[in-house]
Amino acid sequence: EVRLMDSGGGLVQPGGSLRLSCAVSGFNVNDNYVAWVRQAPGKGLEWVSIIYNSGSTNYADSVSGRFTISRDTSKNMVSLQMGSLRGDDTAIYFCASAGSTEVRPGFDVWGQGTLVSVSS
Amino acid sequence: DIVITQTPLSLSVTPGQPASISCKSSQTLLHTDRKTYLYWYVQKPGQPPQLLVYEVSNRFSGVSNRFSASGSGTDFTLKISRVEAEDVGVYYCMQTRQFPITFGRGTRLDIK
Repeated sequence: EVRLMDSGGGLVQPGGSLRLSCAVSGFNVNDNYVAWVRQAPGKGLEWVSIIYNSGSTNYADSVSGRFTISRDTSKNMVSLQMGSLRGDDTAIYFCASAGSTEVRPGFDVWGQGTLVSVSS
Repeated sequence: DIVITQTPLSLSVTPGQPASISCKSSQTLLHTDRKTYLYWYVQKPGQPPQLLVYEVSNRFSGVSNRFSASGSGTDFTLKISRVEAEDVGVYYCMQTRQFPITFGRGTRLDIK
């Protein structure tokens, strides 16, 4: 069974940094892509970043240059290093992937989400 | 960026009645590989999104056959044949045709 467990959220001051983690079970991060999608309070879904099995990455313009997605194959985990955080980064962050090959390049597996609050 | 215009933003439906949600994209979602990368999700309160449909019209495993979806190019529709109380939530369409991946604003479905 494919499962994603996201963690690492918390309260951080504007300008600060935070590292989110997505622990993957059921597939190797070398063999699949993992994305981050966020949802501001009461708002819709916004794609943030993705890392592919090749190691290539992509970012939304709103986070490019401030966030870095990476993976640790030894821990089978994907991380999102967030820097220069702003109030509009406040959101629940979900990691997501495709557990079934037929849904690619969509997402059919999601973590439960981790809340990031940026406030002084 | 591909902008997805989702309508209506909210829907109140009597149980047993049908419902329909539209998504229109600013560019074709048909890829050069001949696949169209349009997905439908529902997000229930306090939960992550759940996949309903992939590639325009393919119901995901375990999704009720009360849900159907269709469309092509830039116009897509999700239909619920007979709404049930468990269908309450916010419905989103998403495109992965090109980066950035984008979502519709969501349609909130509640029960009358």
